[in-house]
Amino acid sequence: DTEVTQTPKHLVMGMTNKKSLKCEQHMGHRAMYWYKQKAKKPPELMFVYSYEKLSINESVPSRFSPECPNSSLLNLHLHALQPEDSALYLCASRGYHEQYFGPGTRLTVT
Amino acid sequence: AQSVAQPEDQVNVAEGNPLTVKCTYSVSGNPYLFWYVQYPNRGLQFLLKYITGDNLVKGSYGFEAEFNKSQTSFHLKKPSALVSDSALYFCAVSPPGNTDKLIFGTGTRLQVFP
Repeated sequence: DTEVTQTPKHLVMGMTNKKSLKCEQHMGHRAMYWYKQKAKKPPELMFVYSYEKLSINESVPSRFSPECPNSSLLNLHLHALQPEDSALYLCASRGYHEQYFGPGTRLTVT
Repeated sequence: AQSVAQPEDQVNVAEGNPLTVKCTYSVSGNPYLFWYVQYPNRGLQFLLKYITGDNLVKGSYGFEAEFNKSQTSFHLKKPSALVSDSALYFCAVSPPGNTDKLIFGTGTRLQVFP
């Protein structure tokens, strides 16, 4: 099973809202990732968790706050987002070499 | 600077014909090489990888890729295209010793016509 699940599939939020994106994998992978993808562009790395510790933050604004409650779960907490933050947010986990991606959450900030 | 190039924004091919999607990279050492496919409003699906060994690697859905070290290329191929192969294809590279980092190409849209 190489499945990474993400909820919700779609999210519309106002600039003053607080929401969270969730990601789950049961492949025993110890590295998990958040990416942001704009239309017709490659994914951009945001955060990396390795063994449940934040190992990489690609200078992401503090309105995005990641959390790794355990080795299977990854959250992305959103607060005071801007319209330009509207994008597809992808979660991934890494096996021995390759990363496996979830289906993404389509976020629209109004 | 490390980079991955996919020189074609779009590749058009007739169903049943062979297809090639090109990828070249500029990363020192022996990087890991990957191909991913993305269907509309979906995440990326892993197709295949080159780590070491035979230069021709086989992956999912009948795809294969040829690694050429001297040309620093990793072209994706399929002997007979299907309409359902129409999607966005990304080549990606992990620098040596940094498997957390994926350097993506800009993507190539493959359009297979019936």
